[in-house]
Amino acid sequence: DTAVSQTPKYLVTQMGNDKSIKCEQNLGHDTMYWYKQDSKKFLKIMFSYNNKELIINETVPNRFSPKSPDKAHLNLHINSLELGDSAVYFCASSPFRFSNQPQHFGDGTRLSIL
Amino acid sequence: DQQVKQNSPSLSVQEGRISILNCDYTNSMFDYFLWYKKYPAEGPTFLISISSIKDKNEDGRFTVFLNKSAKHLSLHIVPSQPGDSAVYFCAATAQGGSEKLVFGKGTKLTVNP
Repeated sequence: DTAVSQTPKYLVTQMGNDKSIKCEQNLGHDTMYWYKQDSKKFLKIMFSYNNKELIINETVPNRFSPKSPDKAHLNLHINSLELGDSAVYFCASSPFRFSNQPQHFGDGTRLSIL
Repeated sequence: DQQVKQNSPSLSVQEGRISILNCDYTNSMFDYFLWYKKYPAEGPTFLISISSIKDKNEDGRFTVFLNKSAKHLSLHIVPSQPGDSAVYFCAATAQGGSEKLVFGKGTKLTVNP
């Protein structure tokens, strides 16, 4: 029974399209995150939600819009996809918003822009 | 602006020997550090952590050492096993700060049988 699940696992699409990635956690955690791992392999925080409230919003183009309908779900919608958006996107969750809490990651969504 | 640096992209050791993975940080506000392990096509999994009030934390075969004055931490795996072959990420945070983790680029460990 997967703790943090992301769909889809792979996403191949063309420049200019709009796409969404879904994330669900069944751990009962309050806090969820989106990370981007680019070609240089850095894992960088994009957004964090605590109990449906946005608490971290890094310098991310406003083409990226997270949505948290409830504390178990955090979806990522991306408008007007660009070549530079190609990356692996990881969803994660932690029990509370404090950064010393170990985060549980999904297996990632590999986004490829043609 | 790499606040967390893992300068060795890869490390290869023999089964049964010690693996030492290193991590340096530049932000003196960081006071909590975590190591994550990642297998291909999977997400990172939490391995071990250390607070800046300690200089060592041990969990089975895994020990993390922190040298605050040098802004350096290391992960020791003894004895290394082939199943330890993975990418290891160091991460740091300022607990009273921005609530976010800053990750290093990772070190790929290969343990040869």
